[in-house]
Amino acid sequence: DAKTTQPTSMDCAEGRAANLPCNHSTISGNEYVYWYRQIHSQGPQYIIHGLKNNETNEMASLIITEDRKSSTLILPHATLRDTAVYYCMINAGNNRKLIWGLGTSLAVNP
Amino acid sequence: DVKVTQSSRYLVKRTGEKVFLECVQDMDHENMFWYRQDPGLGLRLIYFSYDVKMKEKGDIPEGYSVSREKKERFSLILESASTNQTSMYLCASSLVWARGTGELFFGEGSRLTVL
Repeated sequence: DAKTTQPTSMDCAEGRAANLPCNHSTISGNEYVYWYRQIHSQGPQYIIHGLKNNETNEMASLIITEDRKSSTLILPHATLRDTAVYYCMINAGNNRKLIWGLGTSLAVNP
Repeated sequence: DVKVTQSSRYLVKRTGEKVFLECVQDMDHENMFWYRQDPGLGLRLIYFSYDVKMKEKGDIPEGYSVSREKKERFSLILESASTNQTSMYLCASSLVWARGTGELFFGEGSRLTVL
């Protein structure tokens, strides 16, 4: 089974880019990488996902290495409201088997 | 706006009580999930339902059962609550993969304390 590993916590200065890594060295070829974030006292919220190519949306960018063994979520200009726990998740593409990391607690400092 | 609603944000129950946690989604999603979230353990899947009356056990189904009689509603049942079931419970829903990106939509969570 795929497994995801994330750092427990990170800090970032407001206005700077936040780069959150995730290791998923056992990922299979048909498994997608998803990122979610959870603000205190709320449920997780979807951010972005990808398979092989880098992806960008209005919230973030996702960089997946060529061997797909790791990925990085980039918040280009972090704000105080980006302080949250960020989860990396592997999805085999059918929602039947979802492998969640333990999350990275990101603190954005003024 | 898409919505997953969990019936209670906070519950306090006694050991041995039967507990119902209700979840309703208004997005016509086929898939629904129940997770529990504990510090240091992350999100752990209790049960998954892919259609009305259909369910699959997740990673930690012991001590729990579920009911999905209507597409929009997925209930988690603790037949006899125990203190080790004190936790945050999260409900989520999603489209089937072929109809969308597979992203999960979560409710705000139900924090259950069993005394």
